[in-house]
Amino acid sequence: QLQLQESGPGLVKPSETLSLTCTVSGGSISSTTHYWGWIRQPPGKGLEWIGSIFYSGSTDYNPSLRSRVTISVDTSKIQFSLRLNSVTAADTAVYYCARIVVGPWDYYMDVWGKGTTVTVSS
Amino acid sequence: QSVLTQPPSASGTPGQRVTISCSGSSSNIGSNTVNWYQQLPGTAPKLLIYSNSQRPSGVPDRFSGSKSGTSASLAISGLQSEDEADYYCVTWDDSLKGVVFGGGTKLTVL
Repeated sequence: QLQLQESGPGLVKPSETLSLTCTVSGGSISSTTHYWGWIRQPPGKGLEWIGSIFYSGSTDYNPSLRSRVTISVDTSKIQFSLRLNSVTAADTAVYYCARIVVGPWDYYMDVWGKGTTVTVSS
Repeated sequence: QSVLTQPPSASGTPGQRVTISCSGSSSNIGSNTVNWYQQLPGTAPKLLIYSNSQRPSGVPDRFSGSKSGTSASLAISGLQSEDEADYYCVTWDDSLKGVVFGGGTKLTVL
């Protein structure tokens, strides 16, 4: 059974870089029918898509975050990672990683990690 | 301001049927399939409906989804107390070239 686990610092200082890793277990990250993505949820607010990556390295990013986001994949470690630079308090959120099913008209997250809380504060 | 519009709240009594709407545009719902997620307090979202109306294995048939034009809806029949949660609609937007979420609907079972 596929499982995803987020890991990384829970506290990041303003203006610094947030770095998270998602480790995939029970399945392959090199699937040709799936992307891998990051989604976040600020406290008390809704969900926001950050971006996605294919095992080949092809990426899609939320236009509102594109200038600050980098998502990468390491197939040998069966992991993919998120880097968000120049963070502010507005980046405080629960960060989720997820597997994404992609088809001609389909694009949905079918397996999610449990999420990790990241607080931006000095 | 979310790209997809959902009512912020909905409610019903046990056994009732409740519907949650999701309104979009030709570049998102009008062009791609809609998916629905249920998020219980303090937990990760769970896929409830995919491809407009398909239920993943394990999701009760009390949950159903539909789409017409640039709108979609989630229906929950035989409402139960454990259905109290936040519900989100999600799809791809061809113009934004990204995933867009509804703002979420908080369902209260009275």
